[in-house]
Amino acid sequence: GAVVSQHPSRVICKSGTSVKIECRSLDFQATTMFWYRQFPKQSLMLMATSNEGSKATYEQGVEKDKFLINHASLTLSTLTVTSAHPEDSSFYICSAPPPGQGAFASGAFFGQGTRLTVV
Amino acid sequence: AQKVTQAQTEISVVEKEDVTLDCVYETRDTTYYLFWYKQPPSGELVFLIRRNSFDEQNEISGRYSWNFQKSTSSFNFTITASQVVDSAVYFCALIRSYNTDKLIFGTGTRLQVFP
Repeated sequence: GAVVSQHPSRVICKSGTSVKIECRSLDFQATTMFWYRQFPKQSLMLMATSNEGSKATYEQGVEKDKFLINHASLTLSTLTVTSAHPEDSSFYICSAPPPGQGAFASGAFFGQGTRLTVV
Repeated sequence: AQKVTQAQTEISVVEKEDVTLDCVYETRDTTYYLFWYKQPPSGELVFLIRRNSFDEQNEISGRYSWNFQKSTSSFNFTITASQVVDSAVYFCALIRSYNTDKLIFGTGTRLQVFP
């Protein structure tokens, strides 16, 4: 079955540094990937849609320059949190639906998530 | 607009009790998918079930069962004979169309099962 791998699972960084999170589709090509963010004890909110070969689409209120998304290949999307601050501490999780399966697949394949702590 | 409401913020039960988690959704679309996920303390999202809007049959999987009622826009989840390992946050979610699209999540229900 389709597998989505996210790395790292946990990261602690100093305030002001940048952190890169990877989302990989291991056995299929994903032209679209989704990045969600979850604040402690809250729900998951879509941050952006990552599109292979084109610019990401960001949800309203998400800073494009703060959260850089690069979908450089059909199996890899990266989320870079630039100049991280403590308020960026959160749980980030990606979703990668196999193409051709529509919404059926959009909800079924998630990475393991990355817990970011900025100190 | 699409919206998912999970009115129960937190539920506590004693092991072996049955528990129902409520989910009410709003959408203007006629075709959509509904999902339930379990999020244990480790954080990963565990996919439990998806249901398309044309299939109102209830489903049972072991101790889990789901009741989908379009007339009330509800997709409730029942755990029978709850166990301590069921303790987690449970999310209901909606995708609004057959195209690849983003998920709209509810706010989640934290279930605590005590021994």
